[in-house]
Amino acid sequence: GNSVTQMEGPVTLSEEAFLTINCTYTATGYPSLFWYVQYPGEGLQLLLKATKADDKGSNKGFEATYRKETTSFHLEKGSVQVSDSAVYFCALRGWEGKSTFGDGTTLTVKP
Amino acid sequence: GAVVSQHPSRVICKSGTSVKIECRSLDFQATTMFWYRQFPKQSLMLMATSNEGSKATYEQGVEKDKFLINHASLTLSTLTVTSAHPEDSSFYICSARGRRGNTDTQYFGPGTRLTVL
Repeated sequence: GNSVTQMEGPVTLSEEAFLTINCTYTATGYPSLFWYVQYPGEGLQLLLKATKADDKGSNKGFEATYRKETTSFHLEKGSVQVSDSAVYFCALRGWEGKSTFGDGTTLTVKP
Repeated sequence: GAVVSQHPSRVICKSGTSVKIECRSLDFQATTMFWYRQFPKQSLMLMATSNEGSKATYEQGVEKDKFLINHASLTLSTLTVTSAHPEDSSFYICSARGRRGNTDTQYFGPGTRLTVL
């Protein structure tokens, strides 16, 4: 079946540091890939997505590139802010619409 | 704006009671609804998939008699947690899939936090 493996957290960074959260996946066919962010006590918010190989998703300074050859979708941001502190989920969606999520990575950014 | 809503956003109930959670697609027809559960500090796990007018398909390990899913219309699906117990306390999130304009689309709802005392 499908699976998503995320870099284990928690991750603690200073403001303006560079962020990378690794994500690799296993899937049949050609899934769509997503990063979601969840703030404390809230629901999921779509951060960015990519639907085919070599696509780059970007939003709010975050980027991730769909790498079919390495089955990866690593999340990056050049300069994090305190307000980026949240839990980040990597996910894939198969053709049937079911989503498979990674375990989540908690990011804390300190001023 | 939100395209998928859930109601209620939070609910607290006594053990043994039943709780109904609604998931609505606001501006598109959702032919398929997915229900997920998220335990504290854990990831989302798919519980079941429902297609409009059909019985829901449950994932392995999910009790279909405990988690009743109804998808009677193209804009509404409900999840009823029957005879709830404290271990059912969780964050329940729906996802609606359908066509919005000419695009196949899918959105998550904001979630419902259930606390069973």
